[in-house]
Amino acid sequence: KQEVTQIPAALSVPEGENLVLNCSFTDSAIYNLQWFRQDPGKGLTSLLLIQSSQREQTSGRLNASLDKSSGRSTLYIAASQPGDSATYLCADPRRADSNYQLIWGAGTKLIIKP
Amino acid sequence: EAQVTQNPRYLITVTGKKLTVTCSQNMNHEYMSWYRQDPGLGLRQIYYSMNVEVTDKGDVPEGYKVSRKEKRNFPLILESPSPNQTSLYFCASSLGGTGDGYTFGSGTRLTVV
Repeated sequence: KQEVTQIPAALSVPEGENLVLNCSFTDSAIYNLQWFRQDPGKGLTSLLLIQSSQREQTSGRLNASLDKSSGRSTLYIAASQPGDSATYLCADPRRADSNYQLIWGAGTKLIIKP
Repeated sequence: EAQVTQNPRYLITVTGKKLTVTCSQNMNHEYMSWYRQDPGLGLRQIYYSMNVEVTDKGDVPEGYKVSRKEKRNFPLILESPSPNQTSLYFCASSLGGTGDGYTFGSGTRLTVV
């Protein structure tokens, strides 16, 4: 059964730094991996979806990679800004062995200090 | 704009008073699901639907009902709400295949007193 882990649980960095958030999964038979952002008490915003045939996806200052063989995905945020402060979640979507639900990591709470 | 719309955004109700949280998507997605999010427990799936008239239980279905009479709508029904159903609820949709990502609604914060 798939398990998704995110380390660290929390991260605080000064504005302007480049940073990497990590997501590990136990079952390498993963189709895709999706990264989300959640602001406190608010909705889930999809950031990037990496499909199994891809190694990485980019959107603006965000770059996500997927290495199925090592069971890892990383979310790279360039030139961080205070507005990037949020909880970042990774998830393995559409697994038939889990009622076709997203298997979630616990999230990394990111604080960007001005 | 492609989106999943949930209503209401906030709701305070009393124990036992039936309520419905609506969810609608305009992307012609086949798959829809409901999650609840609680501190320390993360996101847990309540019900999901693979297509019209096809629904199935997730991990925490007790106390909830759903229906999928139209492709675009997937309402969540609480027949007799209880305080332990106080939570943040999310509706999500996906096109259908395993290669597709999910789109989430903005959430409904429900308080049952």
